Amino acid sequence: AQSVSQHNHHVILSEAASLELGCNYSYGGTVNLFWYVQYPGQHLQLLLKYFSGDPLVKGIKGFEAEFIKSKFSFNLRKPSVQWSDTAEYFCAVCPPGRRALTFGSGTRLQVQP
Amino acid sequence: EPEVTQTPSHQVTQMGQEVILRCVPISNHLYFYWYRQILGQKVEFLVSFYNNEISEKSEIFDDQFSVERPDGSNFTLKIRSTKLEDSAMYFCASRGTGDETQYFGPGTRLLVL
Repeated sequence: AQSVSQHNHHVILSEAASLELGCNYSYGGTVNLFWYVQYPGQHLQLLLKYFSGDPLVKGIKGFEAEFIKSKFSFNLRKPSVQWSDTAEYFCAVCPPGRRALTFGSGTRLQVQP
Repeated sequence: EPEVTQTPSHQVTQMGQEVILRCVPISNHLYFYWYRQILGQKVEFLVSFYNNEISEKSEIFDDQFSVERPDGSNFTLKIRSTKLEDSAMYFCASRGTGDETQYFGPGTRLLVL
């Protein structure tokens, strides 16, 4: 079945560590790709998005993601995490010809001070 | 910054009762969505709405569900006869014309007893 996979369900890091969260999707064709973040007690917020162009996209709060078409991947990265990055991170894909988002299962990131 | 708002934040209801979840999308947006997240599971698409009609729906969105835009600002999701398995967080989202990004509300946590 076509889907979005996030490989890491729970990640624990110390402050200043580097972060990479994996996201793979199984749709063919042109897709729009998103990373959303949900801080504790808050709603889903857009971190960054990719529609076309430069496959390395920069988002808010120092996050970036790289679209690798050949690997059907859109991994999220941050060189140095902070305690305030503790949140749940969702990869989402808008498949070809649709407007609805398909979400991955989410990755819970816990940053320890 | 404009935000999507949702009311109520929490609702507890008895099985078989009707519930209406309310959303106020961002004011100049024309595309509206409902998603839900059962505890511990993925965020799932329910329905999208444009130009006063449903444009897409998932298999979850059966005859027990309906959506409406009763006035120029509200967008509602009605569940006619709630079931235990309808317990979830329900998210509303909206999107503007020419922008593929969906902006999410804070969610309504529905508990069916």
